[in-house]
Amino acid sequence: EAGVAQSPRYKIIEKRQSVAFWCNPISGHATLYWYQQILGQGPKLLIQFQNNGVVDDSQLPKDRFSAERLKGVDSTLKIQPAKLEDSAVYLCASSFRTSGTYEQYFGPGTRLTVT
Amino acid sequence: LAKTTQPISMDSYEGQEVNITCSHNNIATNDYITWYQQFPSQGPRFIIQGYKTKVTNEVASLFIPADRKSSTLSLPRVSLSDTAVYYCLVVPYSGNTPLVFGKGTRLSVIA
Repeated sequence: EAGVAQSPRYKIIEKRQSVAFWCNPISGHATLYWYQQILGQGPKLLIQFQNNGVVDDSQLPKDRFSAERLKGVDSTLKIQPAKLEDSAVYLCASSFRTSGTYEQYFGPGTRLTVT
Repeated sequence: LAKTTQPISMDSYEGQEVNITCSHNNIATNDYITWYQQFPSQGPRFIIQGYKTKVTNEVASLFIPADRKSSTLSLPRVSLSDTAVYYCLVVPYSGNTPLVFGKGTRLSVIA
């Protein structure tokens, strides 16, 4: 079974530029998450999708971050304009259960460096 | 969500058993205890999950006392490849709840 795919794996941009990350979840997984992981810390949720609808985006900095999941499969996370503090690893995860305890499957992440 | 507390770091020699304890004093009745492992440059990976007593799989064992206010992840005979960050999380039995990660425990296995 193929895992969660993310691209690019690494990205370096200057502050005030824009950047986009792509995620392809495991086939059949209805729930998709984007997490931000700053060096030395655990991942922090940015946004959660159930199919193509947003379930939780309370921690997403909406003035600069946006995300979409068209057709309930792939997802794109965008930052515009980027700030130095956005330097982090952006992780995509997916899960398939709609109730009960469940396991989340994470992709390898995209390491963003903002200079 | 119940807050978890675990040691920041641990060191162990190869071949030893490693026990990482996590406290979660405010765990709710319908919460499960879940552990994830993260290697450098990779996303976290599910290791084990339990509700009470003991759970064992091919990777680890999880011990949960009757009051469920703490849990212990046990890794038998660790090797260098077990060097990673281990996260203890409390997950409600309500489905599709985002995981709330702390800083985890950085385990270093020494030859």
